[in-house]
Amino acid sequence: LAKTTQPISMDSYEGQEVNITCSHNNIATNDYITWYQQFPSQGPRFIIQGYKTKVTNEVASLFIPADRKSSTLSLPRVSLSDTAVYYCLVGEAGAGSYQLTFGKGTKLSVIP
Amino acid sequence: GAGVSQSPRYKVAKRGQDVALRCDPISGHVSLFWYQQALGQGPEFLTYFQNEAQLDKSGLPSDRFFAERPEGSVSTLKIQRTQQEDSAVYLCASSLIQGAAGELFFGEGSRLTVL
Repeated sequence: LAKTTQPISMDSYEGQEVNITCSHNNIATNDYITWYQQFPSQGPRFIIQGYKTKVTNEVASLFIPADRKSSTLSLPRVSLSDTAVYYCLVGEAGAGSYQLTFGKGTKLSVIP
Repeated sequence: GAGVSQSPRYKVAKRGQDVALRCDPISGHVSLFWYQQALGQGPEFLTYFQNEAQLDKSGLPSDRFFAERPEGSVSTLKIQRTQQEDSAVYLCASSLIQGAAGELFFGEGSRLTVL
């Protein structure tokens, strides 16, 4: 399983764009990248998933460079409700892979 | 139901007691996962079911931990002779497809405190 490294914490003001970068130097060819968000006393919630280049959905964008050794989750115009822990995961595609490694995540604090 | 449901939400056990934690996954979801989350840490994988088959139990910390999903829907995580180090939030997740490649839908977790 590829190991991920991400900042322990980040602070941002309301209305700003937040970029959280995750390093995964030993990512394998079949690995995809997924980000989850977790609020206190709740289970993680899927945000976005990608394999290469850029993926965008209604809540975030995921940028993955050509070498795929890192990825950046971009949250546009954050609000106080975006205060949460964000996890970057790297996992193998395919029905035979069952484990996802969460790590400690990045605690994002949005300041008024 | 609309999401993954776990019960009880909170459980306090005396050391040495047995506990059972229940997970109701989203109807029709093939995959079911159990994770353990200690305070301030990320979730750690415990075990995986594909329908009723337990295909991976490599994350279970000891033989005191046992999980089952006999009919391929509801799952129970049982911890025998609980110890203080078992105190954690136990999260259940389900997914529509096989394996961990798809979107995992998590429940709110069962917080276990062992005194």
